[in-house]
Amino acid sequence: GQQVMQIPQYQHVQEGEDFTTYCNSSTTLSNIQWYKQRPGGHPVFLIQLVKSGEVKKQKRLTFQFGEAKKNSSLHITATQTTDVGTYFCAGPSTDSWGKLQFGAGTQVVVTP
Amino acid sequence: GAGVSQSPSNKVTEKGKDVELRCDPISGHTALYWYRQSLGQGLEFLIYFQGNSAPDKSGLPSDRFSAERTGGSVSTLTIQRTQQEDSAVYLCASSLEVSGNTIYFGEGSWLTVV
Repeated sequence: GQQVMQIPQYQHVQEGEDFTTYCNSSTTLSNIQWYKQRPGGHPVFLIQLVKSGEVKKQKRLTFQFGEAKKNSSLHITATQTTDVGTYFCAGPSTDSWGKLQFGAGTQVVVTP
Repeated sequence: GAGVSQSPSNKVTEKGKDVELRCDPISGHTALYWYRQSLGQGLEFLIYFQGNSAPDKSGLPSDRFSAERTGGSVSTLTIQRTQQEDSAVYLCASSLEVSGNTIYFGEGSWLTVV
């Protein structure tokens, strides 16, 4: 069945550094969404990408959707302690219409 | 309401007891989802509703789990004869429609089975 994979599983970052986390789907996606979950909190929607090759920015966060619409990336510049949390990507399931298939997430830890 | 509301926020129950978790979605949202998240883990899909019907129940872990939705609004997730492995956060989410729409999560119901 469809798989959505995220790498790395864990990301330790020094405050001020940049990093990128990746999301790969085994199938072509009509869109991809990113969510952020702070420790002890619930996932919160960040952004949705729909078009092939689309790039969107939110302040220090840059999201990209691959040309083949099977992969996506999230790049964070000048990491801050407020960036701590787990970042999930998700795409519409091809196995079950209506289901949103989440990746396992990238847990980000920021060292001051 | 302004957001997805879940109750109880925390529940400690004895092994073998039944529990009911409630979700009140965002007003006007026709799709409703239940996910489960064990400590430090990802999001495990359980079930979704389109209106009052549940086209996909494949994620329910066992026949001890059931869910219903009435009036196209409130949903209840019931776990019968709870086991320790049922301990997790149960997250409800809703969206305007099914099929790729952004979903909005509630704060979750933290279930601990002792």
